[in-house]
Formats: sequence, structure tokens, C-alpha cells
Amino acid sequence: DIQMTQSPSSLSASVGDRVTITCRAGQNINNFLNWYQQKPGKAPKLLIYAASSLQSGVPSRFSGSGSGTDFTLTISSLQPEDFATYYCQQSSTTPRTFGQGTEVEIK
Amino acid sequence: QITLKESGPTVVKPTQTLTLTCTFSGFSVSSSGVGVGWIRQPPGKALEWLALIFWNDDKRYGPSLKTRLTITKDTSKNQVVLTMTNMDPVDTATYYCAHSRAYCSGGGCDYYAMDVWGQGTTVTVAS
Repeated sequence: DIQMTQSPSSLSASVGDRVTITCRAGQNINNFLNWYQQKPGKAPKLLIYAASSLQSGVPSRFSGSGSGTDFTLTISSLQPEDFATYYCQQSSTTPRTFGQGTEVEIK
Repeated sequence: QITLKESGPTVVKPTQTLTLTCTFSGFSVSSSGVGVGWIRQPPGKALEWLALIFWNDDKRYGPSLKTRLTITKDTSKNQVVLTMTNMDPVDTATYYCAHSRAYCSGGGCDYYAMDVWGQGTTVTVAS
């Protein structure tokens, strides 16, 4: 299995802040990396695929970058609806492992 | 519009077999590049990828549960079924099914992601 490690596990931020979440893969996955957002009691929602491609309908304040083993999800200006847990997932091989999640809380 | 919905028992006893059905609409699981996957989430914990079946009937499983899982599809009924044997209380979780598709980016069209998810079904394992 390819291990996916996210940091931090949680963070507190204010509306308008720039937020960065990091995901590290246990081996080279090129850019086969997805990001999901999950709100309490809801199913995850796809935000980004192929490390940096924005899923249709996702606000442009979300962006992704990285290749190889190190990846970043950035929210340029945090909005109230962005408080949620974010997961990275590698799609290089099966099993398509997820990171442990990063909870973004209100400061 | 693609929709998926999970169904199955809400409570199972230890050692029993769990059978979950994902009923979907808006796509065919026999279309090239399409898959349906299962993911679970124990209370307060992270997502765990379980299994995936592709349009060509290729099946993939998470190695930690591989001996206990079977995934099948019924194209005529628009359903994908996941069975998990020998249930244990640690298998208590919300189980999701999701539509998997291939995206194109930078000249390649093999970037798979789960773009539409079901609402999830909660399964409790208890005697």
C-alpha cells in the first residue's frame, strides 16, 4: 500500500485566512492525487484531481499543487462554508489510499 | 445526473456476513472508464478505501480486508454489491459507495477520482 500522510491533523483559522494543507505520499505517485472535502454527517466531495485540476463547480479559491511525493491544497481566502475536514487520496495504484484527514476549524 | 444510494442492514451480529447494495442511476457500469467503489468511515475516524469494480469487471480490494470482501456488479439492475464476511465490532462504520471515473489532464486520461458519492449507510456490529 502507498501510505499518505497529511499535516497538520487540524488547524484553526479565521474567515479570510490563507490556508495550506500538506499531503506526502510514501512513494512517487507523479500527480495521481485527489483532494476531497467532507462536512460533518455528509459524504466527501471531490475538489481536485490530478493534483491541480479543479473539479467542475468548485470555487477557484481552492487550488492544488505538487508532484512526486509532496502535495499541497491551498484555500486562498477561507470562507465560512470551508470549515470541514480535507482528505488527500492517491490514485496511482490500488488500493487508492486516503490520508488521515485535516480538520479545518473556526478560530 | 448521477446518483448513488447504499442499502443494507443497519445492525449485524459478530461473525455474520454483511451485504450492502449500491443502487445507482445516470450512468452505466459497463461504460469504458467507469467504476464503482466502496469506502468506509468508522465514527470519528478517517476514510478507508475498501474495493472497486471497473466497467470491464476488473476488481480491486484493499489488502487488509481482501480475504473478507467480494464486490460484484449487476449491469441490468444498475447495482453494485459488496459482501463482507466475519463481521466484527471494529467494522462498525458508515459505508459509502461512489462513482469512479477517469479524468484527462496534461495529455493523459487515466486520472481516476470518485466524483459522486452516495449518502452513506451506517452499519453497527453488535450482539
